[in-house]
Amino acid sequence: AQSVTQPDIHITVSEGASLELRCNYSYGATPYLFWYVQSPGQGLQLLLKYFSGDTLVQGIKGFEAEFKRSQSSFNLRKPSVHWSDAAEYFCAVGGPGFQKLVFGTGTRLLVSP
Amino acid sequence: DVKVTQSSRYLVKRTGEKVFLECVQDMDHENMFWYRQDPGLGLRLIYFSYDVKMKEKGDIPEGYSVSREKKERFSLILESASTNQTSMYLCASLRQGGSYNEQFFGPGTRLTVL
Repeated sequence: AQSVTQPDIHITVSEGASLELRCNYSYGATPYLFWYVQSPGQGLQLLLKYFSGDTLVQGIKGFEAEFKRSQSSFNLRKPSVHWSDAAEYFCAVGGPGFQKLVFGTGTRLLVSP
Repeated sequence: DVKVTQSSRYLVKRTGEKVFLECVQDMDHENMFWYRQDPGLGLRLIYFSYDVKMKEKGDIPEGYSVSREKKERFSLILESASTNQTSMYLCASLRQGGSYNEQFFGPGTRLTVL
């Protein structure tokens, strides 16, 4: 069965420091992987996605993620965090075409001054 | 840009009431979804629809029904609201292009059932 694990419920990072949010997935075929961000009181916004090709994908707002098949991971990174990045981040996995997405439980990012 | 709108941002209802949550998308997408979001549980799929008048159960359909009479509108119905249905409800619309899919989300409706 498909599943996504985000092991960190909360992460606190100082403004200007680097960030890595972890995501591990279980999927029976080639996964399609997504990172979404949810600002307080808002819906989800797509940060980036991986379907095939280069395993390092670039997204919006300076985020990137690396797909590592051997580790079943798709970790999100940002070299320098801004206070406006404080939000909840969700990793999701799906398949090609019309496939339901399975979401992780989310990681809440807090940014300290 | 794709726009997914939900009829209410906040809603307060009483136990036993019938509740309608409306979702509208403006990009002619075939596929639409309803999720509920609870702390520590992430997003869980309630129902989805892949065409007008077509629907399929998601992972937690109990206590809910849906209606899709027009392509742009997907409604979630709580036949008799209960306190355990207090939650954030998110609607999404799916764009399919080539071999990939991308879901676009509405802003959510925070429902409180008293």
